[in-house]
Amino acid sequence: AQSVAQPEDQVNVAEGNPLTVKCTYSVSGNPYLFWYVQYPNRGLQFLLKYITGDNLVKGSYGFEAEFNKSQTSFHLKKPSALVSDSALYFCAVRDTEGSQGNLIFGKGTKLSVKP
Amino acid sequence: DTGVSQNPRHKITKRGQNVTFRCDPISEHNRLYWYRQTLGQGPEFLTYFQNEAQLEKSRLLSDRFSAERPKGSFSTLEIQRTEQGDSAMYLCASSSGRAGDLAGANVLTFGAGSRLTVL
Repeated sequence: AQSVAQPEDQVNVAEGNPLTVKCTYSVSGNPYLFWYVQYPNRGLQFLLKYITGDNLVKGSYGFEAEFNKSQTSFHLKKPSALVSDSALYFCAVRDTEGSQGNLIFGKGTKLSVKP
Repeated sequence: DTGVSQNPRHKITKRGQNVTFRCDPISEHNRLYWYRQTLGQGPEFLTYFQNEAQLEKSRLLSDRFSAERPKGSFSTLEIQRTEQGDSAMYLCASSSGRAGDLAGANVLTFGAGSRLTVL
């Protein structure tokens, strides 16, 4: 079955330190991978995606993610965390068994950045 | 364009009542999606429209759930005979899509959601 796993419910980081939010996936065919962020009372916002090409993808707000096919992972990273990065982060993969590639989301990881 | 708009933002209803949510997508987007999100979980896909055609509805949770997009613009999601288990956040998203686009490669723009509480 197709799935996305975010093994950490919460990640705590000090401001200025690097952050990593982990994501692994299981999907048939070529994976299309996405990261979205959700702030309180706001809709999910797109951060970045991997479709093909360079394994290191750069996105909004200084975030980047690395696609690793052998480890079926797509971890989200940022070199220097900001307090304003505190939010709920979702990894998603295209559903290759549904029509038009609907997204399958992980359960989310709460990122807390402390000053 | 103000993005994807959803109304109402919060609906409280008694069990057994019908509820309807409305979604106004980004005007130039031809694809519209409905997802459901419960506490501590990621969004779960419900249904999808390309213009006015509902191309995927097998993931609707039961026959109490139905969605329409009559003119290919706004969409409504109706839940009949609500149950307490229907309490959740209902999310709408839209995207552009053209023939030849890689299916699933387009970015979804989400609305803020409509929260349903069934008493």
